Parts: sequence; C-alpha cells; structure tokens
Amino acid sequence: ELKVEQNPLFLSMQEGKNYTIYCNYSTTSDRLYWYRQDPGKSLESLFVLLSNGAVKQEGRLMASLDTKARLSTLHITAAVHDLSATYFCAGQVGTSGSRLTFGEGTQLTVNP
Amino acid sequence: KAGVTQTPRYLIKTRGQQVTLSCSPISGHRSVSWYQQTPGQGLQFLFEYFSETQRNKGNFPGRFSGRQFSNSRSEMNVSTLELGDSALYLCASASSGSGSHEQYFGPGTRLTVT
Repeated sequence: ELKVEQNPLFLSMQEGKNYTIYCNYSTTSDRLYWYRQDPGKSLESLFVLLSNGAVKQEGRLMASLDTKARLSTLHITAAVHDLSATYFCAGQVGTSGSRLTFGEGTQLTVNP
Repeated sequence: KAGVTQTPRYLIKTRGQQVTLSCSPISGHRSVSWYQQTPGQGLQFLFEYFSETQRNKGNFPGRFSGRQFSNSRSEMNVSTLELGDSALYLCASASSGSGSHEQYFGPGTRLTVT
C-alpha cells in the first residue's frame, strides 16, 4: 500500500527566501502530483511528474521527482505572500486507477 | 470547458440522518473519485467510479456508498451520520483514457453534522 509523507508540516518563511518541501513515498508510484489548497477552498493542480528526473517549473515553484529515492521536492524561490497556502503531494499507482494517496500537507506562511 | 461541479456546497445535518452529495464531472470524463478531508485525518480516498462501476474503494465503513450514472454524474450517500463525518467532501474527475489519470477537483461540499 502506498504511503506518502511530507515534511515539514508547517513552514513559516520570510518573503524573498528560498525553501524546499519534501515528499517521500513508500512504494512505486507511477505519477506524483502537487496540489495547492487555500483555506476553505478546493485543490488546485500545480504539477504532474511522470518519470524519474522530471522537473517542472511554474513561476516561483519548481517540482522534481527522483523515483530511485522515492522522493519529490517542491522548491520555492524568492517567496512572496501570495504563495501562502497548504501544499499537498499525492502519489498514484497505475494499477489503482485514478486513486490518489495524499501526504499530510505542508502549511506554508510567507511573512512580509 | 466547465469544471467539476458539486452540489450542495454546504450542508448541515443531524446525527442519525442520511445525506446525498452530487458531483458532475468535466464533460467527457468517465472517472469520478470522492475524497474526505478532515483536520485530523487529512485527505482520504473514499471510492472511484468508472463507467458506472466502482473501480476502487478506500477504507471507510459501509455507511458510505456511491454510484455513477450513465452520464458520468456521481452521487455519494452517507447513512446514519456521525459527528465524525463532518468534513469537506471533494469530488474529482479524470478522463482515464490514454493513460491519463490526472484528477481535477470540484469546489467541495462542506458537511456539518450536529
């Protein structure tokens, strides 16, 4: 059974700083997703990572996948207040249809 | 293309009652999944329906059930509500064609059980 763990669970950072959120998973995951959730809102898809070494970037966020280490990272560059949200990673196993297994989420607060 | 829609958006029920939530997927999507989100347990998978058949089921009691109609719309039902069923229920749709399983989430239904 796939298990997904994120760290840190809480992250408070200053605007302009860089930081990384880590996502470890327990067994082979065919696809790795990153989502953003604002308070009281639904999940917004950020990245889909399909293969080892995959790297995707959108604005100040960059996600990568290392399938050998069973690790995905979400790197934040020069954080701004608008990035404050909860970030989830989720694994998906090909034999389980569309089922997602989520990490606990990282609550990011960017302070001015 | 319209996104995933869920109705109702907010619901207040009393312990022991039952509730039905509805989800309309993105046009052309045949897979609908349901998730429960609570502060204590996080995001947990309930079940997935594909072409009117349950394809996957999470670890929830039998009080939680669902179905999918021929137009891919899905409903989930929770019977004999408990206080712990208070949660945000999220529906997600995927095309599940050509290996694409990327899920798109609806706005959610916030259920409060009193």
